[in-house]
Amino acid sequence: ELKVEQNPLFLSMQEGKNYTIYCNYSTTSDRLYWYRQDPGKSLESLFVLLSNGAVKQEGRLMASLDTKARLSTLHITAAVHDLSATYFCAVLQGAQKLVFGQGTRLTINP
Amino acid sequence: EPEVTQTPSHQVTQMGQEVILRCVPISNHLYFYWYRQILGQKVEFLVSFYNNEISEKSEIFDDQFSVERPDGSNFTLKIRSTKLEDSAMYFCASSEGRLNEQFFGPGTRLTVL
Repeated sequence: ELKVEQNPLFLSMQEGKNYTIYCNYSTTSDRLYWYRQDPGKSLESLFVLLSNGAVKQEGRLMASLDTKARLSTLHITAAVHDLSATYFCAVLQGAQKLVFGQGTRLTINP
Repeated sequence: EPEVTQTPSHQVTQMGQEVILRCVPISNHLYFYWYRQILGQKVEFLVSFYNNEISEKSEIFDDQFSVERPDGSNFTLKIRSTKLEDSAMYFCASSEGRLNEQFFGPGTRLTVL
C-alpha cells in the first residue's frame, strides 16, 4: 500500500528565510501534486510533477521531484506572511486515487 | 473559470440520520471523486466514479455510503446512518480524464451530534 510522509509536520519560520518541506512516498507513481489549504478552506492546486527531475516554480515556491528516491521537495524562498497555510503533497495511486501526506502546517512570523 | 461546487457548506445532523451531500462537477469532466478530511488530519480518498459506476473505493467507503449521479450535472454522496466518527469535511473533486488533475470543491462540513 502506498504511504506518503511529509516532514516537518509543523514549521514556524521568520519572514525572509528559506526552508524546504519534504515528501517521501513508498511506491512508484506517475505523478505527484502539491496543494495549499487555508484554514477551513478547500485544496488549492500548486504544482503537478510528472517526471523524474521535474522542477516547477511559482513565485516564492519551487517544487521538484526525484522519482528514483521517491522524494519531492517544496522549497520556500524569502518567505512572506501570505504563505502561511497547510501544504499537502499527494501521490497518484493507480489511475485515480490520490494518497495524501499528513500535511505541513507552515506559520510565517513577521 | 469553471469550478466544482458543493452544497450545503455545513450540515448538522443527529447520529443515525441519513445525509446527502451534493456536488456539481466541472461540466466537461468525466471522473468524479469524494474525499474526506477529519479535523486536523490528512485528506483521505473515499471513492471514484466514472461512467455511472464506482471505479474504485477505499475501505472507509463501506455499506453505509453510496454515490449517485442522478442527472447530468449533480454527483451525490449519501451516508445512510451517520455515526459520530463521520464528522468531517467532505470534498468532491472532478477530472477531465483518468490521469488528469483533480479539481476540488469548497467542501461540506458534516457535524454529527
